[in-house]
Amino acid sequence: SYELTQPPSVSLSPGQTARITCSGDALSQQFIYWYQQKPGQAPVLLIFKDRERPSGIPDRFSGSTAGTTATLTISGVQTDDEADYYCQSAGTSSVYVFGSGTKVTVL
Amino acid sequence: EVQLVESGGDLAQPGGSLRLSCAASGFTFSSYSMNWVRQAPGKGLEWVSYITGSGTTIRYADSVKGRFTVSRDNAKNSLELQMNRLRDDDTAVYYCARDRSGVPFDQWGQGTRVTVSS
Repeated sequence: SYELTQPPSVSLSPGQTARITCSGDALSQQFIYWYQQKPGQAPVLLIFKDRERPSGIPDRFSGSTAGTTATLTISGVQTDDEADYYCQSAGTSSVYVFGSGTKVTVL
Repeated sequence: EVQLVESGGDLAQPGGSLRLSCAASGFTFSSYSMNWVRQAPGKGLEWVSYITGSGTTIRYADSVKGRFTVSRDNAKNSLELQMNRLRDDDTAVYYCARDRSGVPFDQWGQGTRVTVSS
């Protein structure tokens, strides 16, 4: 089955830039979406259609793609950005597929 | 304000059944496709089911196909998930999520917890 691969974790200090990758064989032909999930909360849409931000999402969050890899960039990371981040795209045998998630720790 | 409120989560025995509901408000429910997504304890997100606004197109993940049934009542602004032949690995928080054209999960409910255990 189709999989989206993310690094399990990223650790950084406040003010640094976090880059979270998401790799998938079909990503060059599909849109990618990014979600933030804080402990005990529902996910929140961060980025849609590769690089678009919903209203209310700070411009510190940005998305980009290059071939079969998508990247979520968090510029000037804050302690409030500690969360799990998931990428998502259309699936092959399933309608939608999520990445395995990346835990961002701000030390 | 868009609101999605799930209910119906409970403890169930393996082989048993549960029915989840998602009450929608703040938008024209019938105009939107809807999804169910689940998250097992300590695990990532897993898409479960999709239904179009009219209910004419329905899709399931292979892991639940033949056991779960999604439906909707547009007159009541309600989405349902009938879960039969439950298994231990169905234990998860179940979220309903709105599917805006081009944006699969633009709004999420707070989730309802399902525990399958003897």
